[in-house]
Amino acid sequence: DTEVTQTPKHLVMGMTNKKSLKCEQHMGHRAMYWYKQKAKKPPELMFVYSYEKLSINESVPSRFSPECPNSSLLNLHLHALQPEDSALYLCASSQGLAGGINEQFFGPGTRLTVL
Amino acid sequence: GEDVEQSLFLSVREGDSSVINCTYTDSSSTYLYWYKQEPGAGLQLLTYIFSNMDMKQDQRLTVLLNKKDKHLSLRIADTQTGDSAIYFCAELFSGNTGKLIFGQGTTLQVKP
Repeated sequence: DTEVTQTPKHLVMGMTNKKSLKCEQHMGHRAMYWYKQKAKKPPELMFVYSYEKLSINESVPSRFSPECPNSSLLNLHLHALQPEDSALYLCASSQGLAGGINEQFFGPGTRLTVL
Repeated sequence: GEDVEQSLFLSVREGDSSVINCTYTDSSSTYLYWYKQEPGAGLQLLTYIFSNMDMKQDQRLTVLLNKKDKHLSLRIADTQTGDSAIYFCAELFSGNTGKLIFGQGTTLQVKP
């Protein structure tokens, strides 16, 4: 299984809602990532987890809260978002961070619209 | 600081070769990658090259790396309409962080 899955595919939420994005991989990877991608722009790194511990937070606002319950799952909890947070949210995983090729495998993304 | 640059658009005819170029600034990068993104989809890893190599070939794809000039290119032979997509180059930021720095992406348009 060389796949990263993300749910839901599409999400529309109001600014007062609380929602969560989910990501799953069964490749035995120990590093997982959240990226945000605006239209016609490259992905921007948000968070990196390594061995279920948060290792990088790229100064992301606290209305985005990541969680890594186990080595296969990564969640992104959303609360009080703004319309400018509308974007494609991509999850990725890799074997690890240290050394090696560190190929990151991406999921298909969740298209988020904040009204 | 880290920066990766690409030209934004390339148009070729079906059957021609495509060459997508990229420059990067972090001379201590160990790995450089090429990703493909089709509309509405995630990123698909196409190939990568280690910084001590200068060329890598994988079927229709050829990656050339000029480390002195910090220049990376992706050549697609016999380009097909299915190759139409956005192509991102990315460098693995130095240090064991897993952080990828992406270029702006090159939109490849393949005309029949």
